Amino acid sequence: GDSVTQMEGPVTLSEEAFLTINCTYTATGYPSLFWYVQYPGEGLQLLLKATKADDKGSNKGFEATYRKETTSFHLEKGSVQVSDSAVYFCALSDPSNTDKLIFGTGTRLQVFP
Amino acid sequence: DTEVTQTPKHLVMGMTNKKSLKCEQHMGHRAMYWYKQKAKKPPELMFVYSYEKLSINESVPSRFSPECPNSSLLNLHLHALQPEDSALYLCASSQVAGSQPQHFGDGTRLSIL
Repeated sequence: GDSVTQMEGPVTLSEEAFLTINCTYTATGYPSLFWYVQYPGEGLQLLLKATKADDKGSNKGFEATYRKETTSFHLEKGSVQVSDSAVYFCALSDPSNTDKLIFGTGTRLQVFP
Repeated sequence: DTEVTQTPKHLVMGMTNKKSLKCEQHMGHRAMYWYKQKAKKPPELMFVYSYEKLSINESVPSRFSPECPNSSLLNLHLHALQPEDSALYLCASSQVAGSQPQHFGDGTRLSIL
């Protein structure tokens, strides 16, 4: 079945460092891809999305490009802030059942001053 | 500010109690979802309502009983829960079932004594 694999966390960085969180997926069709962020004590917020190959999603300095050839959707940010500390979930929308979001296991990011 | 409101934020109940979780959205969305999230895990889909009708039940035990009284409200009735049911329960909505993104509430943190 469809699945999403994320890098293990936690990812620990100093403020202003470059961030990459890897995400790869397996899908039979052409899924839409998402990054959600969960701050402590809160629900999930959509961070960015991409709906087709080569699309780049971006928001709040974060970017991710839908790479069909490598089945990847890696999250990047050029300069992280302490306020970016959260759990990041990569997800796909299953093309055979679009009622469902399939989540990765989540990656905790900790940014220190 | 989240556009999906969940109450209560925290709930502690005994295994013989009956309680309800509530979720409300005023975005005109016609699909609403319940998820269960255990610590350090991604959300797991429980139920999907489409136009106030239950469209997906992910084999959830009958001690969880969902209800959608109108297009803005979603309830989750709880009865005879087990300690392993302690988790964060998230509500989400989307324009229609299968459309993305889903908008999440901040959740109800449930503890079963």
